[in-house]
Amino acid sequence: ETGVTQTPRHLVMGMTNKKSLKCEQHLGHNAMYWYKQSAKKPLELMFVYSLEERVENNSVPSRFSPECPNSSHLFLHLHTLQPEDSALYLCASSSSGYQETQYFGPGTRLLVL
Amino acid sequence: AQTVTQSQPEMSVQEAETVTLSCTYDTSESDYYLFWYKQPPSRQMILVIRQEAYKQQNATENRFSVNFQKAAKSFSLKISDSQLGDAAMYFCAYRSGSGGSNYKLTFGKGTLLTVNP
Repeated sequence: ETGVTQTPRHLVMGMTNKKSLKCEQHLGHNAMYWYKQSAKKPLELMFVYSLEERVENNSVPSRFSPECPNSSHLFLHLHTLQPEDSALYLCASSSSGYQETQYFGPGTRLLVL
Repeated sequence: AQTVTQSQPEMSVQEAETVTLSCTYDTSESDYYLFWYKQPPSRQMILVIRQEAYKQQNATENRFSVNFQKAAKSFSLKISDSQLGDAAMYFCAYRSGSGGSNYKLTFGKGTLLTVNP
């Protein structure tokens, strides 16, 4: 595997379920990001981890819980979601440093029923 | 706060022709980076081109080039010799070059490009 991978690619869950999204980067980067992409809205940054420490929590509801166990892996734990949370969730990674470009994974399409 | 505006929700171009996608942004910073990303139907967001604000020369990557007008805060993308594989949603994005938010990308709403054979 190369680049940034995400699993699962598609997920359907009920509002009472608990699920996790996984992101893995094979680029040697040390910063990772979660974005939410909803229809007809710009991408929204949710969380940023740099060197495995969270450096940004962009007013995201507590029903979304990120975890970064190491610089290659990033998780987004989901519980008691709402239908409006249905969206494409994109993971990205970059080297730390303001000049570095972010590279994206293919996304997880989430549907909350 | 920075904002990015893409005024064209949809554009179309004939194969082999040239198309220009518009992007304007609002910022009070002097040091920043601008990007164009492409998102085809497969959903993978792919970097197309990147421009550093301190560089006067417009960035070019093969058939893709930008027209960066710093004073006008404009950053348009030109695609030459359009190919069917260029069909995608194109996003313009801004990133600060300094301060505590320099990891944050601010995206426009995107322009859907259709390439007609």
